[in-house]
Amino acid sequence: GQQLNQSPQSMFIQEGEDVSMNCTSSSIFNTWLWYKQDPGEGPVLLIALYKAGELTSNGRLTAQFGITRKDSFLNISASIPSDVGIYFCAGRRLASGGNQFYFGTGTSLTVIP
Amino acid sequence: DADVTQTPRNRITKTGKRIMLECSQTKGHDRMYWYRQDPGLGLRLIYYSFDVKDINKGEISDGYSVSRQAQAKFSLSLESAIPNQTALYFCATSDFGLAGGGGTQYFGPGTRLLVL
Repeated sequence: GQQLNQSPQSMFIQEGEDVSMNCTSSSIFNTWLWYKQDPGEGPVLLIALYKAGELTSNGRLTAQFGITRKDSFLNISASIPSDVGIYFCAGRRLASGGNQFYFGTGTSLTVIP
Repeated sequence: DADVTQTPRNRITKTGKRIMLECSQTKGHDRMYWYRQDPGLGLRLIYYSFDVKDINKGEISDGYSVSRQAQAKFSLSLESAIPNQTALYFCATSDFGLAGGGGTQYFGPGTRLLVL
């Protein structure tokens, strides 16, 4: 199955620094989603993007739907220790009868106090 | 209360045993999915269902079966469990979503399965 190209795979940053990660695909999507997953838990939706060029914020998080519809990025400003976790991107495309979702392999974020 | 629930949260079983993982949702979504997650491999789709009478295989359906008992319930069965089915399993739901927007997916908390 198709996986999205997500980078970087891991990041180690100091508390207070900004973080940026992105996802790219060879195919276009109708929706881009960003999730955070804590160990042993399910992914939790952070931001959903529905239109090319859309820029959406959720607190210290900002994400954008790329103009080409083939990419998206997520920024976290002024990181704090509770930002630690794995961040996943997902793209949605309409298939016959409904939605198909494709996932990135995740960015593991470590915040050093 | 959680919108998507999974039972059990943890399960240990032996090779050859049949087991069932259950998923329930209160979001009113028609579409439900089962994924497995392995370290370094991300989420892989096992089966999905777009409504009660619709069942579709995902990319790794071999060794699994599903049942959509109602709009709110979607269960995953391992017919004869084997060790390489040890993984974290997630159920998810989504609304319909038109080409121009919508279509957001919500995950359950996961079931950690160990096959000995």
